Amino acid sequence: GAGVSQSPSNKVTEKGKDVELRCDPISGHTALYWYRQSLGQGLEFLIYFQGNSAPDKSGLPSDRFSAERTGGSVSTLTIQRTQQEDSAVYLCASSPWADTQYFGPGTRLTVL
Amino acid sequence: KQEVTQIPAALSVPEGENLVLNCSFTDSAIYNLQWFRQDPGKGLTSLLLIQSSQREQTSGRLNASLDKSSGRSTLYIAASQPGDSATYLCAVPPGIDQLIWGAGTKLIIKP
Repeated sequence: GAGVSQSPSNKVTEKGKDVELRCDPISGHTALYWYRQSLGQGLEFLIYFQGNSAPDKSGLPSDRFSAERTGGSVSTLTIQRTQQEDSAVYLCASSPWADTQYFGPGTRLTVL
Repeated sequence: KQEVTQIPAALSVPEGENLVLNCSFTDSAIYNLQWFRQDPGKGLTSLLLIQSSQREQTSGRLNASLDKSSGRSTLYIAASQPGDSATYLCAVPPGIDQLIWGAGTKLIIKP
């Protein structure tokens, strides 16, 4: 079956612009996670959706970051007024419940 | 094509024991190697990151080693505790983006 997909695979934007990153989880997976990995650094947790519960936003680095999950499936991570320090690979993962996470290939964001 | 393998798939040990988790990779051209911890219902936690030029990294009771020439890394956990129970994952980025993941080792520490 299809795994987690993310789009775009690469995004180059100018400082100050807004960007939207998309994640399509594995069908039927109730949990969805967003992470980011900056060059040479470890993985950083951003936000976690579980079913219809309120998302855990504890990892979002600033109020410029927001995420939605529509219909319990597709998720969009939005970064407003992008800054150069936002440049990173943004990873999405989904899992059936509180179980093994399956990761997408990531979106590489470059802010010029 | 990079492949990452973790052995064992599962491990159960009594509290207090020292233990070693293994990670092997097929392509030695890596930028770094990372170890993560995965707890059910929670996001991944990054434990240690070893740059390709380094041999080991330590954090508290954890020590990770890297041998690029043999394509191996080990995660050593000293004086294990029940709170260490989790799935431990290693991952390598073959380039500056994306990660190639091992399947993980599920660790259970018995009180």
